[in-house]
Amino acid sequence: QVQLVQSGAEVKEPGASVKLSCKASGYNFINYAMHWVRQAPGQRLEWMGWINTGNGNTEYSQKFQGRVTITRDTSATTAYMELRSLRSEDTTVYYCAKGSDRNYPNWFDSWGQGTLVTVAS
Amino acid sequence: DIVMTQSPDSLAVSLGERATINCKSSQSVLNRPNNKNYLAWYQQKPGQPPRLLIYWASTRESGVPDRFSGSGSGTDFTLTISSLQAEDVAVYYCQQHFDTPSTFGPGTKVDIK
Repeated sequence: QVQLVQSGAEVKEPGASVKLSCKASGYNFINYAMHWVRQAPGQRLEWMGWINTGNGNTEYSQKFQGRVTITRDTSATTAYMELRSLRSEDTTVYYCAKGSDRNYPNWFDSWGQGTLVTVAS
Repeated sequence: DIVMTQSPDSLAVSLGERATINCKSSQSVLNRPNNKNYLAWYQQKPGQPPRLLIYWASTRESGVPDRFSGSGSGTDFTLTISSLQAEDVAVYYCQQHFDTPSTFGPGTKVDIK
């Protein structure tokens, strides 16, 4: 069965960077897109960007452009999301989500368990 | 960006009764070449990630009980739970994946009356 296992909680100071991982199993990793979505407490889900795990092409939300980088390691079937210049508003839960197809547009048919990132001095 | 709105913000329904959630997009999410609406519905329980329920506005994901159904086209969509069960208590989100950025509605909280 499809599983997405994310890395553990992080605590970072303002201005720092964080790199989260998402280990995929149970399907052919390179045949499906991987998205990153975040959710502040009590707030709606917010899409950050996605990667074509086959060719490595990425697309990011304008809101995070310049601060976020999504990569993948096909041999490790793992996707990564790095967010830089962290601020307090980045304190939230981050999810990876498997796309229903290799390319966008697609819906998100499996989700990781989420990683809490706390930004505080 | 396509803005998604939902109504109501919350609702309480008796067990076995129908629950209806509405979702509206600021522009059409109908892809005319394939006549598909790029609209999905998710269920999220406390402390859990979202779970896909419906895609293409009306296609039920594998394993989702048939009491969940989706309808609508263009800019107006509905998620219906035909007979509410205790395990359906959750927040429900609609999502458009017609354009980037993909955007979600604010969520509708469903409780038992």
